[in-house]
Amino acid sequence: DADVTQTPRNRITKTGKRIMLECSQTKGHDRMYWYRQDPGLGLRLIYYSFDVKDINKGEISDGYSVSRQAQAKFSLSLESAIPNQTALYFCATSDWGRTEAFFGQGTRLTVV
Amino acid sequence: AQKITQTQPGMFVQEKEAVTLDCTYDTSDPSYGLFWYKQPSSGEMIFLIYQGSYDQQNATEGRYSLNFQKARKSANLVISASQLGDSAMYFCAMREVTGGGNKLTFGTGTQLKVEL
Repeated sequence: DADVTQTPRNRITKTGKRIMLECSQTKGHDRMYWYRQDPGLGLRLIYYSFDVKDINKGEISDGYSVSRQAQAKFSLSLESAIPNQTALYFCATSDWGRTEAFFGQGTRLTVV
Repeated sequence: AQKITQTQPGMFVQEKEAVTLDCTYDTSDPSYGLFWYKQPSSGEMIFLIYQGSYDQQNATEGRYSLNFQKARKSANLVISASQLGDSAMYFCAMREVTGGGNKLTFGTGTQLKVEL
C-alpha cells in the first residue's frame, strides 16, 4: 500500500460543483501539502499544514480551501469548480528534519 | 522570493550517454535544500537526489549526481549511462527552510527522451 494515498485518482466534474480531494498518509509526518501541476508551469503550492492546528496559504490558494482532519488526513476542496482548475493535483508529506517530500499518486481533475 | 529556473523544456540523449539537466535558483536564505524529482509518464513523483546548501561535496545517488555550484546558484542534475527508462519529466525544486518546514518550490521541468 502507498504511504501517501489520494482519492479519487481521476474525477470529472461540472462547473459550479463542489468537490473534495482527499489525502491520507501512513508515514507519521507532521507536514502535509497540496500542489497543482499544469503543463509548462511545474508544481505550484496551493496550501500547506505543519500540524492539525496550522494551515497556510500557498502561492495559488484562491478558489481552494483545505481541512486537516487529523495528522494523517488533509483534504482539498474546490467550493465551486471552474474549468481552469482542471489539473493534476498532488498531496505530499514531509517530516521535520527530513529532507525530501513524499508524494501521493496524484488526482487528475477535469472540470467541464 | 524563491525562484527555480529550468531553461530546457526538452532534451534528447542517446542510450548509454551522459546528460546534464540544468537548474538555477534564486534565494536570499543562506540555508536551503535542492532536490530533483522524476515524473514518468505514469505521473508519480519520484525523489532522486538532495543537496543541502552547506554540503561540501556534490551529492550522488547511483547514476545520478548533482553538480552544485553555489556561487553560480546552479544545481544541475547529471545522469550517467542513460537508459530508456530514464525518459521522463525531471523537476528541480528548492526547499524553503523558514519555519523548519519542507515547502518546495518547483521549476517548470525538463522532458528527457532517451533514444536508442
